[in-house]
Amino acid sequence: GIQVEQSPPDLILQEGANSTLRCNFSDSVNNLQWFHQNPWGQLINLFYIPSGTKQNGRLSATTVATERYSLLYISSSQTTDSGVYFCAVAGMNTGFQKLVFGTGTRLLVSP
Amino acid sequence: EPEVTQTPSHQVTQMGQEVILRCVPISNHLYFYWYRQILGQKVEFLVSFYNNEISEKSEIFDDQFSVERPDGSNFTLKIRSTKLEDSAMYFCASGGQLNQPQHFGDGTRLSIL
Repeated sequence: GIQVEQSPPDLILQEGANSTLRCNFSDSVNNLQWFHQNPWGQLINLFYIPSGTKQNGRLSATTVATERYSLLYISSSQTTDSGVYFCAVAGMNTGFQKLVFGTGTRLLVSP
Repeated sequence: EPEVTQTPSHQVTQMGQEVILRCVPISNHLYFYWYRQILGQKVEFLVSFYNNEISEKSEIFDDQFSVERPDGSNFTLKIRSTKLEDSAMYFCASGGQLNQPQHFGDGTRLSIL
């Protein structure tokens, strides 16, 4: 099945810093979503981005489908950005679009 | 914005007992999913459900698990005889069409004693 790798596994930032999180996947996809898991365990959907670029406030994401990677950019980070960021993909040949999650990037933003 | 709701938010059960986790997907969605996340690990697919039947299931989804959409609005996950290793966060998700995002509920944290 499709493999998803995220990097870095852990990231520590000072408040106000910028960061880039990466997601590599092993096959063509027709669904790619970025999630933020907050300290209460909720999965917050950030972007649905199987291709192209999107922006939402301080966050933006780019997926280069032909090269099988996606990037999540966080600018001017805040302590509330702390948590785990997951990339999840559904392979092109997956009939009912089950999402395969990466192992996540754990982000800690300190004041 | 419509959302997926899950109940209960936390369930504590004795090993060997049956447990039912409940989900109300977004009303016009057609595709339904259950995922689980063992503490500190990644989220794993359990099962997908479409047109009143299971469309795909993972190796985790053995005979102890079942899903049902009893009344056109609820979507349930039943674990027949719980084991310690079933302790996890269980997420329900729904999707309107293929090639659209899946919307996740807030999860049910299941603790087996």
